[in-house]
Amino acid sequence: SQQGEEDPQALSIQEGENATMNCSYKTSINNLQWYRQNSGRGLVHLILIRSNEREKHSGRLRVTLDTSKKSSSLLITASRAADTASYFCATDASPSGNTGKLIFGQGTTLQVKP
Amino acid sequence: NAGVMQNPRHLVRRRGQEARLRCSPMKGHSHVYWYRQLPEEGLKFMVYLQKENIIDESGMPKERFSAEFPKEGPSILRIQQVVRGDSAAYFCASSGQGAREQYFGPGTRLTVT
Repeated sequence: SQQGEEDPQALSIQEGENATMNCSYKTSINNLQWYRQNSGRGLVHLILIRSNEREKHSGRLRVTLDTSKKSSSLLITASRAADTASYFCATDASPSGNTGKLIFGQGTTLQVKP
Repeated sequence: NAGVMQNPRHLVRRRGQEARLRCSPMKGHSHVYWYRQLPEEGLKFMVYLQKENIIDESGMPKERFSAEFPKEGPSILRIQQVVRGDSAAYFCASSGQGAREQYFGPGTRLTVT
């Protein structure tokens, strides 16, 4: 089964609201990454959080990591229509985090209505 | 600094034909990864290559699929005798030495008719 599982599968909000997506994983990790994919496009790397970090910010993005619960969350504050995309979490296949083989979750599809 | 480039962006092949997908990594990156994405699904790892070496091909189907990253030129993902089930988006990513982040290309959408 997938290393990363996101929920919800789909999320629809109004512009200006916050969006929270969650990701759970099964094995020990070295780091966890979040990516965004606009419809029909490639993935854009958003943020990487290491296993010894609990929280990380990048602009309107806030990522948390709880290694005891094997879960991470991505919060997008003050959402914009341009944030409409699918969001994926990804972990390395090895706890050492250096195999290069990323395991992706199924993704959360976010729709931000203007 | 150009990003990861993939071509063609769209490829249509009839069943039984061969498909060749090309990927040029970001400048200075020596690690290339190929992933496949089926409709409404996440990406699935296929293969990890460095120049002239296959590091991990655990995600590659046993038959018909091959990949290379020659000393000169782009990485090539080759699918022989394509079938309808090969229809998918194929993404290439690259990373620098020791880096965890992978940078993705725009993908090649393969349609097998």
